[in-house]
Amino acid sequence: DAGVIQSPRHEVTEMGQEVTLRCKPISGHDYLFWYRQTMMRGLELLIYFNNNVPIDDSGMPEDRFSAKMPNASFSTLKIQPSEPRDSAVYFCASKRTGGNYTFGSGTRLTVV
Amino acid sequence: GEDVEQSLFLSVREGDSSVINCTYTDSSSTYLYWYKQEPGAGLQLLTYIFSNMDMKQDQRLTVLLNKKDKHLSLRIADTQTGDSAIYFCAESPSWGGTSYGKLTFGQGTILTVHP
Repeated sequence: DAGVIQSPRHEVTEMGQEVTLRCKPISGHDYLFWYRQTMMRGLELLIYFNNNVPIDDSGMPEDRFSAKMPNASFSTLKIQPSEPRDSAVYFCASKRTGGNYTFGSGTRLTVV
Repeated sequence: GEDVEQSLFLSVREGDSSVINCTYTDSSSTYLYWYKQEPGAGLQLLTYIFSNMDMKQDQRLTVLLNKKDKHLSLRIADTQTGDSAIYFCAESPSWGGTSYGKLTFGQGTILTVHP
């Protein structure tokens, strides 16, 4: 079991550019979550999917953020256009119903 | 909605016990978790407890749950310098004893262990 795989590990981009973060959940898990971690706001849930369907996207900051889960083994979080205040560590997590939450190693995003 | 609160800092001497506290607001049945995050790393699940339990022990870790006060604590016995990290309390809803849905985190407690 390779765990939850996120890519890239680090991303540095210029303000205004599009950023795409990727996540591969653990096979067989039916939930996928995107979290953002900052010093000021801690760990915030952005969105989560159940069986590839978005269930709660109330944490998505604004229209610049979008997330997709085209199949059970892949999800993306896109920011367009990116801004310096989007700089954070973005975590993906997955779980199966009744199981525990497993987190990826995170993507550290820096927008300059 | 759910809210989880933790104290921000704890400093202990190596070999002492550490106790990290957490309060939560969800009144329904819930799972409560403790995660550890080392610098630059992801979140590692340490232990969890279901809200119908009072205590759970796992090697050096003891979790105590006071359901009346909605208070959760994590005790680390014989704390080592390698235990220095951020510890997060989190909760998730449950239905029929099965966890589902989102995980809500506290702000995290920075544990510093001095030699």
